[in-house]
Amino acid sequence: GQQVMQIPQYQHVQEGEDFTTYCNSSTTLSNIQWYKQRPGGHPVFLIQLVKSGEVKKQKRLTFQFGEAKKNSSLHITATQTTDVGTYFCAGTGGNEKLTFGTGTRLTIIP
Amino acid sequence: DVKVTQSSRYLVKRTGEKVFLECVQDMDHENMFWYRQDPGLGLRLIYFSYDVKMKEKGDIPEGYSVSREKKERFSLILESASTNQTSMYLCASSRDHKEQFFGPGTRLTVL
Repeated sequence: GQQVMQIPQYQHVQEGEDFTTYCNSSTTLSNIQWYKQRPGGHPVFLIQLVKSGEVKKQKRLTFQFGEAKKNSSLHITATQTTDVGTYFCAGTGGNEKLTFGTGTRLTIIP
Repeated sequence: DVKVTQSSRYLVKRTGEKVFLECVQDMDHENMFWYRQDPGLGLRLIYFSYDVKMKEKGDIPEGYSVSREKKERFSLILESASTNQTSMYLCASSRDHKEQFFGPGTRLTVL
């Protein structure tokens, strides 16, 4: 079945440094979503990408969908302590089911 | 404010017990989902439903069943709880396969 992998599993960065998480699917996706889960919280939707090669920005966050629609990335510029949490990608495949990635847990060193 | 609520934040049960986890959404969403979340494994889909009385198996349905008698309510049932079902259980709902709204989660411990 469809698999979605994320790397890295963990990332520790100094406050102010940049952060990137990568998402790779075993199959072509019709769209990809990104979620953020704060410690002790539940996943909260950030954004959805639909088009091949699409790039979207939300303040310091930049989301990219690969040309082949099999991979995606989330880049955070100049991390802040409020960015702490686990970031999940989730892709919709041909079966229209949303498959979540394994997540990247981001910790910030003040 | 849109909401997905789950019946318990924490639950402790014994091996062999029947366990009910309830989820209610107030957004009139057609689609509802049950996931379990374990460290290093992300969110794994157990069951989902696109309509009342409809249910579909997800990726890890073994040991679970579900019930959707009303549009706003989706229940997850563990017929005979086992220790390997100790996990965080998350319910979510969506409209038109768009963004999913999650409940706060139920941390279930099976002793």
